[in-house]
Amino acid sequence: IAGITQAPTSQILAAGRRMTLRCTQDMRHNAMYWYRQDLGLGLRLIHYSNTAGTTGKGEVPDGYSVSRANTDDFPLTLASAVPSQTSVYFCASSPGTSDYNEQFFGPGTRLTVL
Amino acid sequence: GQNIDQPTEMTATEGAIVQINCTYQTSGFNGLFWYQQHAGEAPTFLSYNVLDGLEEKGRFSSFLSRSKGYSYLLLKELQMKDSASYLCAVRAGDYKLSFGAGTTVTVRA
Repeated sequence: IAGITQAPTSQILAAGRRMTLRCTQDMRHNAMYWYRQDLGLGLRLIHYSNTAGTTGKGEVPDGYSVSRANTDDFPLTLASAVPSQTSVYFCASSPGTSDYNEQFFGPGTRLTVL
Repeated sequence: GQNIDQPTEMTATEGAIVQINCTYQTSGFNGLFWYQQHAGEAPTFLSYNVLDGLEEKGRFSSFLSRSKGYSYLLLKELQMKDSASYLCAVRAGDYKLSFGAGTTVTVRA
């Protein structure tokens, strides 16, 4: 079934630990995105990639890094997790960055940092 | 950055109509999206407006006025399954999406 998968589904992490959230899409979409969703704040863009080999910073990039080695995968790494990074993380993709391109979202990863 | 405002919560009765308003201020404008998000699930696309006017898709319609920085999502013939959060998102000049905090709609029998 075509779509976006994320792993893990949920994770409890000790502060200071390193964590990589995985995201894979099989729709051959050029653009991919990472958002975090917190109660009352809505979805906020962390990092994005308009095409394989390129990445850019979103609204809240501090403490996170990404890579885009190929079209399908877009992992998000927390180098040293802090409690304020407790959130639900959504990966999304779109065919391109044209006006009409909707974004398709993965099922999310619920991360708790203690 | 973008400033997107929508009501936090709305409640309506099954079979009724509900209108969710969204106002925005943005530097550059390349379209407005509405997404539906059920509790614990991913957002799913509902509608896209880039020109002024009304777009209708079955029970859902979305309206845009670019000069007023205003959109609404109209949900008709409400069903229990329509209970969800509705997210307004604006695509700015840099083609990135900025989301409002979402409106939680509760449909009561």
